[in-house]
Amino acid sequence: QLELQESGPGLVKPSETLSLTCTVSGGSISSSGYYWGWIRQPPGKGLEWIGSIYHSGSTYYNPSLKSRVTISVDTSNNQFSLNLSSVTAADTAVYYCARGGDRLRAFDIWGQGTIVTVSS
Amino acid sequence: DIQMTQSPSSLSASVGDRVTITCRASQSISFYLNWYQQKPGKAPKLLIYSASSLQSGVPSRFSGSGSGTDFTLTISRLQPEDFATYYCQQSYSISFGQGTKLEVK
Repeated sequence: QLELQESGPGLVKPSETLSLTCTVSGGSISSSGYYWGWIRQPPGKGLEWIGSIYHSGSTYYNPSLKSRVTISVDTSNNQFSLNLSSVTAADTAVYYCARGGDRLRAFDIWGQGTIVTVSS
Repeated sequence: DIQMTQSPSSLSASVGDRVTITCRASQSISFYLNWYQQKPGKAPKLLIYSASSLQSGVPSRFSGSGSGTDFTLTISRLQPEDFATYYCQQSYSISFGQGTKLEVK
């Protein structure tokens, strides 16, 4: 079955760029009818959608983060990535990648999450 | 931006109870409303999509209703494994509610 796995540095310095990759296994990231998203959760807080990308490359971002976020897809490696620039301590969170479906319009498969701490 | 407000923020209940959580959108989102369950240290799990459709594999004691701006998630008879935090999410433009923590009374 389809699985998602986040990877990337667990510690990022303030003002630098946070970069994470989500590897999709058990299925193709290019499958029609799906999109791929990043969601984060600060310690002890709720969920925040960061952005989503379709296999075509079309992207949609949370307006509050749009100026700092880039999401890209690498179909040859069945991966999609998140770059978040100019990070501060407020960006410390568990970062999840997830699959969304055009039919469900919901995130039905999630990665296990990876914790990223912003600290000098 | 569409704001999602859940109530209550926390709820105490017992096994066997019927529980209802509400979610209100700041503007109409038709039926584009999903519900997730999250347990500590785990990723969220999709329970209900499109306001009232049960995700495959989810027990039938979970149900959802509503349209427009007001939605509810109902658990008909609480089981021990249902104690968790629940989030609504609007898929009109994508945002989440703040969560409802369901605790043991």
